Amino acid sequence: AQTVTQSQPEMSVQEAETVTLSCTYDTSESDYYLFWYKQPPSRQMILVIRQEAYKQQNATENRFSVNFQKAAKSFSLKISDSQLGDAAMYFCAYRSKETSGSRLTFGEGTQLTVNP
Amino acid sequence: GAGVSQSPSNKVTEKGKDVELRCDPISGHTALYWYRQSLGQGLEFLIYFQGNSAPDKSGLPSDRFSAERTGGSVSTLTIQRTQQEDSAVYLCASSLYSGRGLGDGYTFGSGTRLTVV
Repeated sequence: AQTVTQSQPEMSVQEAETVTLSCTYDTSESDYYLFWYKQPPSRQMILVIRQEAYKQQNATENRFSVNFQKAAKSFSLKISDSQLGDAAMYFCAYRSKETSGSRLTFGEGTQLTVNP
Repeated sequence: GAGVSQSPSNKVTEKGKDVELRCDPISGHTALYWYRQSLGQGLEFLIYFQGNSAPDKSGLPSDRFSAERTGGSVSTLTIQRTQQEDSAVYLCASSLYSGRGLGDGYTFGSGTRLTVV
């Protein structure tokens, strides 16, 4: 079974600065998807960015980018020019590409605080 | 609808009572998932529906938990004889389909916060 680990329960960053959230995972599969979700106090999970394992190029979405290291099974999220609205719980998630009906497996989450 | 709708938003119930949580997925989404998020924890998979196939119930924590999906659309998660450890946020998500190779994440609802007193 796959596991996802986020070793930083809490992180903080100054507004306009850059922060990196860590995520590692364990899998025996070679093809899969990785995701970062944001959960604000409204509770709704919002997809931030996704990465396909077979793609070597790191995904980027505006101020959000990932550092995907497949051999190390690491998938960190970098938030540049942090904004107050980025404050939320961030979850890393894994989804198999090799089996149908696959569920998302989530890490424990990192609570991000953005200081003005 | 435009998004995944869950009701009620919050529910307080007495220990031992039964509760029903509702999820209305995005129209046309054939895959539907229920997750549980306990305080300060990640999301724990509960159950998955795909079209008319038999649901994957492997995540249900006990036989007090059950779920159904009528007409391939609305789903109801039922918890019988609620216990205090059932207190959590119950999140529903849907996706267009869950076939192999689909890279989309899900669209989540805002969840139901269940408090058992």
